[in-house]
Amino acid sequence: QKEVEQNSGPLSVPEGAIASLNCTYSDRGSQSFFWYRQYSGKSPELIMSIYSNGDKEDGRFTAQLNKASQYVSLLIRDSQPSDSATYLCAVRSGGYNKLIFGAGTRLAVHP
Amino acid sequence: DGGITQSPKYLFRKEGQNVTLSCEQNLNHDAMYWYRQDPGQGLRLIYYSQIVNDFQKGDIAEGYSVSREKKESFPLTVTSAQKNPTAFYLCASSTQNTGELFFGEGSRLTVL
Repeated sequence: QKEVEQNSGPLSVPEGAIASLNCTYSDRGSQSFFWYRQYSGKSPELIMSIYSNGDKEDGRFTAQLNKASQYVSLLIRDSQPSDSATYLCAVRSGGYNKLIFGAGTRLAVHP
Repeated sequence: DGGITQSPKYLFRKEGQNVTLSCEQNLNHDAMYWYRQDPGQGLRLIYYSQIVNDFQKGDIAEGYSVSREKKESFPLTVTSAQKNPTAFYLCASSTQNTGELFFGEGSRLTVL
């Protein structure tokens, strides 16, 4: 059974700090990795995708991938209260576009 | 405006009734998916379709049925055989290239 694991949180950080969200996956053959943000009662929104080892930056967001350790993370710099949401890690493995989702980490940014 | 439209947003069903959730996309995506989300849990795949007239079962297909007669449409029927249907249902689509999924706004089904 392929799995994606995340700490459920809540992860509480002060406004302006760096929030670090982590995700591990079990299938060593996984190829593509995604971070989604989900506000309470809303649908998930894609915020980052990463396909190769290393870092990928987009504005205040940085995704980090380490395939050897089967680990992907999301850093949010200068965290804002509007970043308070659940962050879902998703992993694609196999030859088709089927994503496996983690249960999500709830982030709370307090003023 | 390109996007994915799900309807209805809220639906109440009596036990023993079938209900159909609509999903339409105008993104010209080949693949479409149905996920279910329960409170505090991740998304679980119900069915997916890579091309018209073809679909595959996901991890929790029992009690559900789908069709894919048009590229734009992928309706989900929740049958009376689904023992615990109260959940948030999410439709998504993707291109074959990137695998990035884009979601509709979701349909919240409550069984009375």
